[in-house]
Amino acid sequence: NAGVTQTPKFRVLKTGQSMTLLCAQDMNHEYMYWYRQDPGMGLRLIHYSVGEGTTAKGEVPDGYNVSRLKKQNFLLGLESAAPSQTSVYFCASSLREVAVSTDTQYFGPGTRLTVL
Amino acid sequence: AQSVTQLGSHVSVSEGALVLLRCNYSSSVPPYLFWYVQYPNQGLQLLLKYTTGATLVKGINGFEAEFKKSETSFHLTKPSAHMSDAAEYFCAVSGIIIQGAQKLVFGQGTRLTINP
Repeated sequence: NAGVTQTPKFRVLKTGQSMTLLCAQDMNHEYMYWYRQDPGMGLRLIHYSVGEGTTAKGEVPDGYNVSRLKKQNFLLGLESAAPSQTSVYFCASSLREVAVSTDTQYFGPGTRLTVL
Repeated sequence: AQSVTQLGSHVSVSEGALVLLRCNYSSSVPPYLFWYVQYPNQGLQLLLKYTTGATLVKGINGFEAEFKKSETSFHLTKPSAHMSDAAEYFCAVSGIIIQGAQKLVFGQGTRLTINP
């Protein structure tokens, strides 16, 4: 049981390049989330999914797209990377327990992305 | 709307001393409160959470937090610090549902350093 895994761990891009970050979970969780973490700002929600085939925008969605074709995978895409997207990206998943608001989110180890 | 303020971006204590990390929140709905810990180069993991019931919540690794509604606070404490407690700690509030998913709002984080 690996929990939440993220690929790759590190990446350096040039401005304008594209890439896809992969998040996979083996806990059969319905909900999946993508966050970015910047110094002094905590974590901010980019996009999320409440189930296979569904996605929605979070707090900072501009410049990102997502897809959830399979329940266990949640992909985050950058179509044309910008230096402002230099950040650490975390994926999380959760299973509805008693109520959605009290769910525990399980986080992956993160992807450190630098855009030059 | 919801927000979280963590007082002090860096806290340093001696090994064996009391650890106190401060968190204040604001919420337009009854809040659910979380503390997550992030060890170096790892993802976040749940320390403890308050949902309903007892306001003193015990978590892993000897940490506990008390929900004080009148003070809108959820401070994290540990009686005796250990070197392995060095990490970044995030307070988060939930309670609002966005299109069926949990909206978790994080504070900016507090980096805890333990001096030998």
